[in-house]
Amino acid sequence: DTGVSQDPRHKITKRGQNVTFRCDPISEHNRLYWYRQTLGQGPEFLTYFQNEAQLEKSRLLSDRFSAERPKGSFSTLEIQRTEQGDSAMYLCASSLGSLGISNTGELFFGEGSRLTVL
Amino acid sequence: AQKVTQAQTEISVVEKEDVTLDCVYETRDTTYYLFWYKQPPSGELVFLIRRNSFDEQNEISGRYSWNFQKSTSSFNFTITASQVVDSAVYFCALGNTGFQKLVFGTGTRLLVSP
Repeated sequence: DTGVSQDPRHKITKRGQNVTFRCDPISEHNRLYWYRQTLGQGPEFLTYFQNEAQLEKSRLLSDRFSAERPKGSFSTLEIQRTEQGDSAMYLCASSLGSLGISNTGELFFGEGSRLTVL
Repeated sequence: AQKVTQAQTEISVVEKEDVTLDCVYETRDTTYYLFWYKQPPSGELVFLIRRNSFDEQNEISGRYSWNFQKSTSSFNFTITASQVVDSAVYFCALGNTGFQKLVFGTGTRLLVSP
């Protein structure tokens, strides 16, 4: 399978614990995005990487959240001291290049990592 | 600020009916991009189409068609002769040039019954 893969698919944790999600993008894609989706809502942008550089972070990303993409390949999203409000689906997407006339702008999404904080 | 509104929360149709999903957007950008994504029960968002703000041509792809009207800031999606496999949540999204942050609507859940 050459699509975007995310791990784990499901995570149940107790409030206050730390969790880490991993995303493996499509290999030739230099851009990687994290989105969060809560029940009944559309995905909300969290952050994005161009290669290994984190170029944009949403205000939704509190200090408890940190994302890395150390070698410009896979990425991790860590949530420290989880709260019940962090329960959501965390979606990773990748793309090739920037949105423009010659690029379809398609984001390729993984199946997501569902977090439940008890 | 950019905003996407999908007023229809859920639509139920019987197979073979035509159905239109509405999308209204707000942006101050002169160049922008509109998207439709499908999210089946498996959860993976699947790209359906992208439209540039400077291209108002409607598009048809098989049973799918899209109507982009800049004058009303709408980008509606029609499925002709719906099928059970079309059951999913459909999201309209708005993007600008550059780093491709997409602003999604809240989605419309389409239920197609046999």
